[in-house]
Amino acid sequence: EAGVVQSPRYKIIEKKQPVAFWCNPISGHNTLYWYRQNLGQGPELLIRYENEEAVDDSQLPKDRFSAERLKGVDSTLKIQPAELGDSAVYLCASSQSPGLARNEQFFGPGTRLTVL
Amino acid sequence: AQSVTQLDSHVSVSEGTPVLLRCNYSSSYSPSLFWYVQHPNKGLQLLLKYTSAATLVKGINGFEAEFKKSETSFHLTKPSAHMSDAAEYFCGWASYDKVIFGPGTSLSVIP
Repeated sequence: EAGVVQSPRYKIIEKKQPVAFWCNPISGHNTLYWYRQNLGQGPELLIRYENEEAVDDSQLPKDRFSAERLKGVDSTLKIQPAELGDSAVYLCASSQSPGLARNEQFFGPGTRLTVL
Repeated sequence: AQSVTQLDSHVSVSEGTPVLLRCNYSSSYSPSLFWYVQHPNKGLQLLLKYTSAATLVKGINGFEAEFKKSETSFHLTKPSAHMSDAAEYFCGWASYDKVIFGPGTSLSVIP
């Protein structure tokens, strides 16, 4: 079974440029999460999808970040324009359904973003 | 508010000696607690989780953790460290729909 796929793995851009990250969850997983992991810290949730609906985007900086999961499968996270403080690893995760006490969350390898 | 504290940012052990990684949580109700491991350039992998069944939880690769409500702790242990255990370890608190991760503990294993 393929795991969570993310691309690109690494991205270097200059500040004020746009950037996009792509995630393909495990087949059949309805719940998709985007996290940001700053250096030396644990992941922090940005947005959670149930199928194509964003059910928790309270931590997503909406002035510059956007996300979509149009067909309820793969998802794209965009930053426009990027700032120096956006340098981090962006992790995608999926689970079969909500209820993380009972459903395991599977993580992709992440995209390491460097903003110069 | 819920929070997770990992008391040591870095732990170093010799190969073959015991591992102890400490985690404390703050929650107004009974939590679900997790430990994840992250190897360099890899995603997080679930080691074990506590969901109000047995207080001693066994995970993969010989790791286990004990839930102690009176101490609000969920420390991770392994009797004998292996070189492949060198990684970043994250304790997490989970509700229905989100996980709050601690800041992580970096484990080094000295040959």
